[in-house]
Amino acid sequence: QSALTQPASVSGSPGQSITISCTGTSSDVGSYNLVSWYQQHPGKAPKLMIYEGSKRPSGVSNRFSGSKSGNTASLTISGLQAEDEADYYCCSYAGSSSVFGGGTKLTVL
Amino acid sequence: QVQLVESGGGVVQPGRSLRLSCAASGFTFSSYGMHWVRQAPGKGLEWVAVISYDGSNKYYADSVKGRFTISRDNSKNTLYLQMNSLRAEDTAVYYCAKDPASQAFLHWYFDLWGRGTLVTVSS
Repeated sequence: QSALTQPASVSGSPGQSITISCTGTSSDVGSYNLVSWYQQHPGKAPKLMIYEGSKRPSGVSNRFSGSKSGNTASLTISGLQAEDEADYYCCSYAGSSSVFGGGTKLTVL
Repeated sequence: QVQLVESGGGVVQPGRSLRLSCAASGFTFSSYGMHWVRQAPGKGLEWVAVISYDGSNKYYADSVKGRFTISRDNSKNTLYLQMNSLRAEDTAVYYCAKDPASQAFLHWYFDLWGRGTLVTVSS
């Protein structure tokens, strides 16, 4: 149950696009289409942004999109807005368990 | 409204026990799997445990296996986490979270979260 690997931080200017990677192994990300992404603002509970790799829950902006290639999943945020500044976590099913990434702090410049 | 509310956190000495509760409302609690996820101060999220909608299946992270027990009382719409032999590294905010699968195989993601309850293990 080793944590998935995410960059510690990413940044972008308003209106730009950024991508956050999430690298796992053939035992988790690579084997299942069960990657999810969460947004967490300081002092708040996480919020589901993407599930099953690329699906958006009702109410989540279509500026958020997800994809996967091999053992790496990605979250792309287009048209960056100030409110997108937060921590982002990926999560994958890993066979009778879930494993999270270490988290990525997104700064909107 | 649809919500999860955790309680039971506090300061506890190493080696002691604590039981967390999570009260659910606004949805049919008995139809959904439920998870516990924790977050140490200033750190990332860590999945802790899951229980199926009817309590028949339970799975744990290696870090808590043998020390923590997840359970539920569907008549009270409440999820529990019994934590024994607590260690300093168990200090965290504990969130309960709902699995979206309704009376089916778990989907292993979390579509509703509580606000969390802080557990501090310290002498």
